[in-house]
Amino acid sequence: NAGVTQTPKFQVLKTGQSMTLQCAQDMNHEYMSWYRQDPGMGLRLIHYSVGAGITDQGEVPNGYNVSRSTTEDFPLRLLSAAPSQTSVYFCASIPQGVNTEAFFGQGTRLTVV
Amino acid sequence: GESVGLHLPTLSVQEGDNSIINCAYSNSASDYFIWYKQESGKGPQFIIDIRSNMDKRQGQRVTVLLNKTVKHLSLQIAATQPGDSAVYLCAENRGAGGTSYGKLTFGQGTILTVHP
Repeated sequence: NAGVTQTPKFQVLKTGQSMTLQCAQDMNHEYMSWYRQDPGMGLRLIHYSVGAGITDQGEVPNGYNVSRSTTEDFPLRLLSAAPSQTSVYFCASIPQGVNTEAFFGQGTRLTVV
Repeated sequence: GESVGLHLPTLSVQEGDNSIINCAYSNSASDYFIWYKQESGKGPQFIIDIRSNMDKRQGQRVTVLLNKTVKHLSLQIAATQPGDSAVYLCAENRGAGGTSYGKLTFGQGTILTVHP
């Protein structure tokens, strides 16, 4: 199993550009999440999904869209990139059940200039 | 603690020492807690977890202690090795009904440096 795969690993965008960060998991996990990590801070939840077709906002959702058409994939879309979105983005998947750990991808480092 | 800022708490130890990393959480309704290890340029990796109906759990070289009275979590690493050098993140689950739903709330992390 590859686990959680994120692409790309690095990306530079110009202000106003849009792009999609890809996340795929091959563990058949029901729950998936997107977090961002900024220097000196822990991970903050952007959006999450409890199953295909179901998404909801986390702590910092503004400027981001998500969709979950399949169990495996959970892409994160930046609609109009801003310098404040410069960050490292992590995708996580979690098996259904009570109190189960999250499995993280390797991250996408995004710079918006 | 849970303070937000640009400077992470740091802990420096000698190889072979025991390390204790602390974390204060904010939500008394949280019922599940996880410690993650994050190496430079990588995603967080699971170390150990504990449920709110326990106050101690042991793994291989690691022990997590939970004090719900003061909302405090600690990670103890025995015989610390240079390979343990990383950022350690604590996370709490605030999912409804005890199910994670992927909604973890993270502390800012602690940098552990182990000197040979």
